[in-house]
Amino acid sequence: AQKITQTQPGMFVQEKEAVTLDCTYDTSDQSYGLFWYKQPSSGEMIFLIYQGSYDEQNATEGRYSLNFQKARKSANLVISASQLGDSAMYFCAMREGGWTGNQFYFGTGTSLTVIP
Amino acid sequence: GAVVSQHPSRVICKSGTSVKIECRSLDFQATTMFWYRQFPKKSLMLMATSNEGSKATYEQGVEKDKFLINHASLTLSTLTVTSAHPEDSSFYICSARDPLGNTEAFFGQGTRLTVV
Repeated sequence: AQKITQTQPGMFVQEKEAVTLDCTYDTSDQSYGLFWYKQPSSGEMIFLIYQGSYDEQNATEGRYSLNFQKARKSANLVISASQLGDSAMYFCAMREGGWTGNQFYFGTGTSLTVIP
Repeated sequence: GAVVSQHPSRVICKSGTSVKIECRSLDFQATTMFWYRQFPKKSLMLMATSNEGSKATYEQGVEKDKFLINHASLTLSTLTVTSAHPEDSSFYICSARDPLGNTEAFFGQGTRLTVV
C-alpha cells in the first residue's frame, strides 16, 4: 500500500487566492512526522512545514499551514495569498518513528500553477 | 538552518564512463545520508542509505555495484555511477539529517546527470 497519497497531479490557483493541496498517509506507527516540500524547476527540495503525530495544534509557517486530521490520516497543505513564485511541485512526505525515524516516504507530488 | 551541498549540479558524460557525485553537510555532522533518484515529473525514489564508516544499505532493485556509495567522513558521502548508460540519466538528490534530532531533513541541490 502507498504510504503517502497525493491525488492531485496538477492544480491551478489565481494569484492572491488560497489553495489546498491534499495528502493522505498510511502508517501503523504511533510516532511519525509529516512534511511538505516545494520543488521549483531548479530541482532543489525546499522544506516548508512539519507536523508531528503528537502535535495537537496544526502547524503554521507564514503563508503555509498544515490541516492535520489524524483520524482521517490526512495532512493537507494550505497556501494562503498565493504568489506567482509559488508555482512549483509540492511533495508530501512522512517519516515513521519520530525522532529515531530516518527514511522518508514521498508522495507523487502536485504541480501547482499560480495564474496572474 | 543546516545546509547540504551537492556537487556537481549538472554533468554530462559518455556511455561507459563513471561519474562521482558529492554530498556534503556544511555545518553539521551527518552520520546518515540518503540518496534519491527522481525521474521527470515523478516522485523521489530512495536508492540507498549511506552510513558513516559502514556499508550503505541499498533499496530493493538498486544495483550496489553500479551505484557505489562511500561515506568516509561525517560530512561527506559520495555516489559513483559506474559504467554509466543512457538509462542512468536522471536527477539524483541527497539528503542528510541533523543528528541532534532536528525535524527537518536537509536536501542537496540535486545533480542532473545526462549520459550520452
